[in-house]
Amino acid sequence: KAGVTQTPRYLIKTRGQQVTLSCSPISGHRSVSWYQQTPGQGLQFLFEYFSETQRNKGNFPGRFSGRQFSNSRSEMNVSTLELGDSALYLCASSFSGEGEQYFGPGTRLTVT
Amino acid sequence: AQTVTQSQPEMSVQEAETVTLSCTYDTSESDYYLFWYKQPPSRQMILVIRQEAYKQQNATENRFSVNFQKAAKSFSLKISDSQLGDAAMYFCAYISGGGADGLTFGKGTHLIIQP
Repeated sequence: KAGVTQTPRYLIKTRGQQVTLSCSPISGHRSVSWYQQTPGQGLQFLFEYFSETQRNKGNFPGRFSGRQFSNSRSEMNVSTLELGDSALYLCASSFSGEGEQYFGPGTRLTVT
Repeated sequence: AQTVTQSQPEMSVQEAETVTLSCTYDTSESDYYLFWYKQPPSRQMILVIRQEAYKQQNATENRFSVNFQKAAKSFSLKISDSQLGDAAMYFCAYISGGGADGLTFGKGTHLIIQP
């Protein structure tokens, strides 16, 4: 069974721009969660989507948004990028949102 | 809010020896899961082992085992016969039974394997 895939793997953007990251979950998994990893803050939960609905949300500003499609693929969008948004963005999938989550390789975003 | 604490920023062990990584957590929930994830330099987060809170028996996966002390809210990871490939950041993580708030991670322990 194929694992979680994320595209692109690397991105360089300029402050003020917006960016969209994509995640394809493991086949059969309906829940997709997004996490931000930075050296200072560690791993932080952004949001979770299940059956095309945002079910849970972490403590991030409204510039961070996402969506999920009928095939469970998910996208995350960050608008008006700030330097502090530079991070590794990890996507994880699970069957139901409970229990273990399986992670993709991440997207490394650099904001200059 | 749930918290997960890993008090050892870095640990070092000789190849083939045993090492234990510590983790404590705080929650008022009764239904939850605990995990250890491994993140090697490639940054790929890999699930090592899971433990359901309602299970009294400690989980084991080959050379990896946990010591789950529910009353003490402690969840340590023991790695036996350490191998060079075990070198990585190890994160302890918690999620409530309903999955709300996603995974809460500790700050991680950097494990170094000495050949």
